[in-house]
Amino acid sequence: EAGVAQSPRYKIIEKRQSVAFWCNPISGHATLYWYQQILGQGPKLLIQFQNNGVVDDSQLPKDRFSAERLKGVDSTLKIQPAKLEDSAVYLCASSTRRGFTGELFFGEGSRLTVL
Amino acid sequence: AQSVSQHNHHVILSEAASLELGCNYSYGGTVNLFWYVQYPGQHLQLLLKYFSGDPLVKGIKGFEAEFIKSKFSFNLRKPSVQWSDTAEYFCAVNGNEKLTFGTGTRLTIIP
Repeated sequence: EAGVAQSPRYKIIEKRQSVAFWCNPISGHATLYWYQQILGQGPKLLIQFQNNGVVDDSQLPKDRFSAERLKGVDSTLKIQPAKLEDSAVYLCASSTRRGFTGELFFGEGSRLTVL
Repeated sequence: AQSVSQHNHHVILSEAASLELGCNYSYGGTVNLFWYVQYPGQHLQLLLKYFSGDPLVKGIKGFEAEFIKSKFSFNLRKPSVQWSDTAEYFCAVNGNEKLTFGTGTRLTIIP
């Protein structure tokens, strides 16, 4: 079974530039999550999708971050414009159902460095 | 709001030593508890989980954790660690359908 795929693995940009990350969850997983992990901290949920609908985006900085999952499968997370404090690993995860009674499967992450 | 505290930021042990990593959470209702592990260069993966029933849960690779409701704790244990256990360990709590992670504990095992 293929795992959660993410790209790019690494990205370096200047502040005020834009960046986009892509995630393809495990086939059949209805729920998709984007987490931000800043160095020295635990992952923080940015947004949760159930199929193509947003379940929770309360911690997403909506002035600069956006995410979509148009067909209920893969997803894109965009940052525009980027700030220095956005330097982090962006993790995508998926699960078979809403809520956390099951296991989350994580991708390897996309490491963003903002200069 | 729920939160998770992991007080050990970096633990260094010799092989065969016993391990206990602390995890305390705050949430007023029913919780599900998890330990995730991230081996060097790999993705986060589930180590073990507690939903209900026996408060002592066993996970992969000989790890276990005990849920003590009165102490709001879910400490991770292993009686004898191996060099391959070197990794970062994250405790997480699900209450109100939000998974909140602790800051993680880096475990280094010296051969």
